[in-house]
Amino acid sequence: NAGVTQTPKFQVLKTGQSMTLQCAQDMNHEYMSWYRQDPGMGLRLIHYSVGAGITDQGEVPNGYNVSRSTTEDFPLRLLSAAPSQTSVYFCASSLGRGLNTEAFFGQGTRLTVV
Amino acid sequence: AQSVAQPEDQVNVAEGNPLTVKCTYSVSGNPYLFWYVQYPNRGLQFLLKYITGDNLVKGSYGFEAEFNKSQTSFHLKKPSALVSDSALYFCAVRDIMDSSYKLIFGSGTRLLVRP
Repeated sequence: NAGVTQTPKFQVLKTGQSMTLQCAQDMNHEYMSWYRQDPGMGLRLIHYSVGAGITDQGEVPNGYNVSRSTTEDFPLRLLSAAPSQTSVYFCASSLGRGLNTEAFFGQGTRLTVV
Repeated sequence: AQSVAQPEDQVNVAEGNPLTVKCTYSVSGNPYLFWYVQYPNRGLQFLLKYITGDNLVKGSYGFEAEFNKSQTSFHLKKPSALVSDSALYFCAVRDIMDSSYKLIFGSGTRLLVRP
């Protein structure tokens, strides 16, 4: 059972570069989301999607884009990397759109912007 | 606004002793509450959740949590700690009034269980 798969696991970018963090889930979950984890701040929501073709902004969306063309995939795109985007990024998925379902997380992508 | 507070950055306990990791929340409507654990260089793993019903919820690895509506708290507990329980623990809440269904996380509490 693969669950939620994120690639790459580690990435170093130069300021101004763009890149896409990949996220795929094989559980047929409707709800997917991206978080960033920074020390002492917990996880903060970047973008989320309640189903294919539907995305919306979370708490900290600036500098990031997402798309959801299929149920399985939810890539996160950094448009022009900045040092403030150095963080650990987690993708998560949940069954349906219900409030009572737990989220499943990927292993994370550790991104450093220099 | 929704929020979750974990007042302790770190909790230290001896192996075999009971442990408590504290969590309080603030939401507009009724809360759905979750606990997750994160081991080094890993993603978050679900431990347990409170949706409705019994205020004492049992979860994975012998953990349990008590929902207290009057104190808006959802503390994580375990009767006898193991060294392998050492990890980072996150409390999270969903607000039934929030149509985005997003999870709001606390800042995390590091649990250190010494042999």
